[in-house]
Amino acid sequence: EVQLVESGGGLVQPGRSLRLSCQGSGFTFSDYALTWVRQAPGKGLEWVSFIRSRPYGGSPEYAASVKGRFIISRDESKSIVYLQMNGLKTEDTAVYYCARAVYDSRGYTLGFDYWGQGTLVIASS
Amino acid sequence: QSALTQPAFVSGSPGQSVTISCIGTSSDVGSYNFVSWYQQDPGKAPKLMIYDANKRPSGVSNRFSGSKSGNTASLTISGLQAEDEADYYCCSYAGGSTFVFGGGTKLTVL
Repeated sequence: EVQLVESGGGLVQPGRSLRLSCQGSGFTFSDYALTWVRQAPGKGLEWVSFIRSRPYGGSPEYAASVKGRFIISRDESKSIVYLQMNGLKTEDTAVYYCARAVYDSRGYTLGFDYWGQGTLVIASS
Repeated sequence: QSALTQPAFVSGSPGQSVTISCIGTSSDVGSYNFVSWYQQDPGKAPKLMIYDANKRPSGVSNRFSGSKSGNTASLTISGLQAEDEADYYCCSYAGGSTFVFGGGTKLTVL
């Protein structure tokens, strides 16, 4: 059974850092790209970051709202994807979900098929 | 990257069909077929309902269908059931492995 489990959320002061983790299981982790999506309280979904699978170089992409502050990475040996969040702002307060990408033979992402339960980050003084 | 445009609310009676639109631009929906749709119940993680504009994952009811024309994608739910009441989000590939979500639509089953 495919599972994604996020952890690392919590209350943090603006300007500080936090690292989220997403543990994958039940699938060949290195074969899949993964993404982070967040949802502020009472708001919609916002794409945050994406990391390609190892066959496609494992390179990252970021939304403009977090570029330069957040860093996504993956540890294939542990089947974990991380989101290092630096310089947190109050507007970063949200539930953060990680999700697995569905892709085609060319490597294009067609959607996100498995999601974790989310971890809540609150940036507040 | 601006959010895709969805109606904030749609409603329908049991047994009816409803369609939720998702309007993007020539940089996202208009350029790629890689549109997906998600159903989200309160306090729960999103669930993939449609991917690649019109494909259903295994286990998703065939009452859910997707389509795309130009800069607009659509999700149609036929034979509406009470359990379909939820929030629905579209998502489009926007090039360079970046993505954009719609603002979300709250579906009410009357």
